[in-house]
Amino acid sequence: DQQVKQNSPSLSVQEGRISILNCDYTNSMFDYFLWYKKYPAEGPTFLISISSIKDKNEDGRFTVFLNKSAKHLSLHIVPSQPGDSAVYFCAASVEANFGNEKLTFGTGTRLTIIP
Amino acid sequence: KAGVTQTPRYLIKTRGQQVTLSCSPISGHRSVSWYQQTPGQGLQFLFEYFSETQRNKGNFPGRFSGRQFSNSRSEMNVSTLELGDSALYLCASSLGGLYQPQHFGDGTRLSIL
Repeated sequence: DQQVKQNSPSLSVQEGRISILNCDYTNSMFDYFLWYKKYPAEGPTFLISISSIKDKNEDGRFTVFLNKSAKHLSLHIVPSQPGDSAVYFCAASVEANFGNEKLTFGTGTRLTIIP
Repeated sequence: KAGVTQTPRYLIKTRGQQVTLSCSPISGHRSVSWYQQTPGQGLQFLFEYFSETQRNKGNFPGRFSGRQFSNSRSEMNVSTLELGDSALYLCASSLGGLYQPQHFGDGTRLSIL
């Protein structure tokens, strides 16, 4: 039962353009969402998060949008740079529900930025 | 500030053996969680420890266990290894819990022959 889905295994984007990575979830209890970036042979690195009380959060070139009614979130990277080439994971959790928390990850999207 | 340290980086075992992986969290972090990454299943949550107590658990069999020490360091043990246990095992730490950004180590690559 894949509660967090990233339907695009890979994405290629020209340098300088916008990269949009998508994520869908099925569990309506999720109320906190995060994006991580992973380079080969390294652990994931936290990028940006959003609480369900918001519909947008921005941090520099990275913006995450949340559409609760559609159970959909997206990560926008503008402008895309070669160093952004990595695998991106979205993750979802239930905030402060101790004993019943599971950080659930999507299967990842490999982003390739073309110079 | 030192990051999350996992040892060893690589490990080769045979079926039926057991293995112990170690994780040292960022200083001051009390939550340590473990994940299994495989090509087919992606990143899957194993369990989380907070102040030496297992607080949350994923859907893995009892062969997967862990513990946390008073200095927040954590170990994960897998008994009776199976071929399907070949994976990258990642440890992460945070200040408060799974709903906070996790700081990951670089993982232990476990190969079962």
